[in-house]
Amino acid sequence: ETGVTQTPRHLVMGMTNKKSLKCEQHLGHNAMYWYKQSAKKPLELMFVYSLEERVENNSVPSRFSPECPNSSHLFLHLHTLQPEDSALYLCASSQGGSSSYEQYFGPGTRLTVT
Amino acid sequence: RKEVEQDPGPFNVPEGATVAFNCTYSNSASQSFFWYRQDCRKEPKLLMSVYSSGNEDGRFTAQLNRASQYISLLIRDSKLSDSATYLCVVIPSNTGKLIFGQGTTLQVKP
Repeated sequence: ETGVTQTPRHLVMGMTNKKSLKCEQHLGHNAMYWYKQSAKKPLELMFVYSLEERVENNSVPSRFSPECPNSSHLFLHLHTLQPEDSALYLCASSQGGSSSYEQYFGPGTRLTVT
Repeated sequence: RKEVEQDPGPFNVPEGATVAFNCTYSNSASQSFFWYRQDCRKEPKLLMSVYSSGNEDGRFTAQLNRASQYISLLIRDSKLSDSATYLCVVIPSNTGKLIFGQGTTLQVKP
C-alpha cells in the first residue's frame, strides 16, 4: 500500500545532528498526526494537524518541531536529540478532521540516536 | 493508572485455538473503542470497531462492558496469519484523540 509514505525508513543520527522526517499521504485526508512508538510502550501521540493547523501538541520537547506545509505533507524536524528519543516514529492521516477515529498509518521511520 | 491497559503477553496458541484478549480503560466517559492490529515491523491497521451491542466479523468478535470498563477481542479458529500485536484503542469523550494500549502479542504456532 502507498496511501501514507514515510522517508527515510531508517535513520541513525548523533545527538548534535539535525535531520527531518517526511510523511506524505495520497488519500485526500485533511488531518495528519505524528506518533512515537517505543519498545514496550503504547503509541504516544505527539502532534495533530487538522486542515494544516496544529491542533494538538502533546507536551513534546522543543527538540521536535513539526511542519505541515499542506494537507498532504507533514515533516518532523529533529535537532539535539537524546538517546531516549530512539523509537519508531509513525505518521498517520484521517478524513473528517482530527476527530476521525480511523487513522491510516505510514510504515514509520526507525530512529536511532547515538 | 494507565489510561488503557492490556496484558502484553505473548499469548502462544496452536492453530485452531480460540483466544481472547481483554483491555481495560480508566476514563468512564470514553465514547469509542477499537481494535487495531500491528504486524511485526509494520504499521498499525484498524481491525474492527467495538460497539455497545458487540460485533462480529468472521472469526473475530469484539465486546464492550461499560460497567466494568473493559473491551474484549475473541479470535476463533486461530490461523498462523493471525500472529500479530493487537492494540486496544479508546477515544475519550469529545476529544477525538486515540489513546492506545501497549498491545497484546499473539503467536499462533503450527
